[in-house]
Amino acid sequence: DTAVSQTPKYLVTQMGNDKSIKCEQNLGHDTMYWYKQDSKKFLKIMFSYNNKELIINETVPNRFSPKSPDKAHLNLHINSLELGDSAVYFCASSQGDFRNSPLHFGNGTRLTVT
Amino acid sequence: GENVEQHPSTLSVQEGDSAVIKCTYSDSASNYFPWYKQELGKRPQLIIDIRSNVGEKKDQRIAVTLNKTAKHFSLHITETQPEDSAVYFCAASRTGGFKTIFGAGTRLFVKA
Repeated sequence: DTAVSQTPKYLVTQMGNDKSIKCEQNLGHDTMYWYKQDSKKFLKIMFSYNNKELIINETVPNRFSPKSPDKAHLNLHINSLELGDSAVYFCASSQGDFRNSPLHFGNGTRLTVT
Repeated sequence: GENVEQHPSTLSVQEGDSAVIKCTYSDSASNYFPWYKQELGKRPQLIIDIRSNVGEKKDQRIAVTLNKTAKHFSLHITETQPEDSAVYFCAASRTGGFKTIFGAGTRLFVKA
């Protein structure tokens, strides 16, 4: 059983389109995240949610709108896609920040904007 | 703001040699330091972690050391094997911070 699963694995779209990425975890974790990995492999946090509440929004353009319908799900909707949005987006979860536990990553969504 | 610096960016070693990757963090409140390995096309996966109340931790061929005073921590891999080839990330976080800050990564090549 996959612990953190995200879909789709690949996403190819044109500039100006709107797209969504879905993430689900079955680990019982209460904190979920979106990370962006650019072409140089740099991993940068975008958002973190704890118990469905937004905790961190790391100066991400408001074209990116996360939504957490429950503790096990965190989706990412992106409006008006730009070339610079091309990257691999990783969803992750952890047991909770107050116990300093490691991140469990999904397999990533490779977004290509043309 | 919080920052984690990681060196070197690329490391090439002969099979059987040791590899050392070094990181420095800026947030003195950081108290948890995980290391992740990312193979080509795969997700990052935890290989070892250390908390601030410990100076050293070892797991088979992998060891981490932490110097809180200098805000340095390092990953040591002994007897490297070709399957150790990957990108390694150091990271830092603090209790209640709800975010993990990553270093820029080290691409390790182990030549057979």
